[in-house]
Amino acid sequence: ELKVEQNPLFLSMQEGKNYTIYCNYSTTSDRLYWYRQDPGKSLESLFVLLSNGAVKQEGRLMASLDTKARLSTLHITAAVHDLSATYFCAVDIGETSGSRLTFGEGTQLTVNP
Amino acid sequence: EPEVTQTPSHQVTQMGQEVILRCVPISNHLYFYWYRQILGQKVEFLVSFYNNEISEKSEIFDDQFSVERPDGSNFTLKIRSTKLEDSAMYFCASSESGVINEQFFGPGTRLTVL
Repeated sequence: ELKVEQNPLFLSMQEGKNYTIYCNYSTTSDRLYWYRQDPGKSLESLFVLLSNGAVKQEGRLMASLDTKARLSTLHITAAVHDLSATYFCAVDIGETSGSRLTFGEGTQLTVNP
Repeated sequence: EPEVTQTPSHQVTQMGQEVILRCVPISNHLYFYWYRQILGQKVEFLVSFYNNEISEKSEIFDDQFSVERPDGSNFTLKIRSTKLEDSAMYFCASSESGVINEQFFGPGTRLTVL
């Protein structure tokens, strides 16, 4: 059974600081996704990582994937309050198209002024 | 920008009643999904649907659940006899490509079973 673990689960950081969220998964996969969820809202797709060594950046967020280590990271640079949200990684290990995503527990990020 | 829509946004029902949650996926998408999220917990997969049939389902998706695509635009989740533990946020998602499989989520339906 695929396990997807994120850490930390809770992260409180000051504006302007850098930090990294980690996503480990237990079964080989080269398809990993990052989502953002604001309280009471839906999940917004942030990044799609589809190969070993993939790196994607959008604004202050950068995601990477190491399939050999079964690890993805979401790096936050110079955090701002607007980044406060819960971030989920999700893994697809399906052998057929349109497979399920298995989500991590989420990292609740709070950026303080 | 195209988006997944869901109705209703909030549904309150009595235990044992049937509910139907409705979704309109993005129009050119071919793969459809239902997930649920119990308050404060992670998102859990229920079922995926492609080419008018279920392609995968989880252990949560038992005989009380069914899905249907009654026409070219709607995708529904039916719970036949709701239980208290069915209370959750239900998200519909769709993806254009099963290979890239970037799934776009709707705003969710909050189901409360009393």
